[in-house]
Amino acid sequence: AQKVTQAQTEISVVEKEDVTLDCVYETRDTTYYLFWYKQPPSGELVFLIRRNSFDEQNEISGRYSWNFQKSTSSFNFTITASQVVDSAVYFCALSEMTLIQGAQKLVFGQGTRLTINP
Amino acid sequence: DAGVIQSPRHEVTEMGQEVTLRCKPISGHDYLFWYRQTMMRGLELLIYFNNNVPIDDSGMPEDRFSAKMPNASFSTLKIQPSEPRDSAVYFCASSFPGGRTDTQYFGPGTRLTVL
Repeated sequence: AQKVTQAQTEISVVEKEDVTLDCVYETRDTTYYLFWYKQPPSGELVFLIRRNSFDEQNEISGRYSWNFQKSTSSFNFTITASQVVDSAVYFCALSEMTLIQGAQKLVFGQGTRLTINP
Repeated sequence: DAGVIQSPRHEVTEMGQEVTLRCKPISGHDYLFWYRQTMMRGLELLIYFNNNVPIDDSGMPEDRFSAKMPNASFSTLKIQPSEPRDSAVYFCASSFPGGRTDTQYFGPGTRLTVL
């Protein structure tokens, strides 16, 4: 069975600090996709990034960066120079293989609650 | 473009009542997913549709739950009769056609409270 583990339940930092959210996954698939979603206090789930298993290049988007390492089955997320608006729950997710072509089921981690203090 | 639309945003009902949650996916998306989020179990997939046809309902907790998708722009999740343990946030998500690379885009959720 596929599994996503976010070992950090809560993280609290002071504004402008860098912070890394860990994500470790388990899968037997050779082809899979990894995702990060953000859930701000307002409650919606906001898509941040998708990464496929064949692309291990790190990605940077503004203050956000992602480090994908297949060797350690990790897909970590770093926020540089954190801001109060980054406070949210962040979910890592893994797409699950199905027997039906084109279908994708997401398996979510339990989430990391990030609090950025001014 | 409008995102996934869900209604109502909040629903408070009494045990035993019927509850209907509604979802309008992003236009052109042919996959639709219903999730439930609770503190104890996190985010769980309940059911998903492809081209209006239910594909996998293995996550539906019990017969009290049912979902329909009468057309490409509308889906409902119904709970009858509702119970306090059904209290949760219910999300609807949709994705583009084109295979397993699809990204699911989520609606704002419906917060259901069953008294």
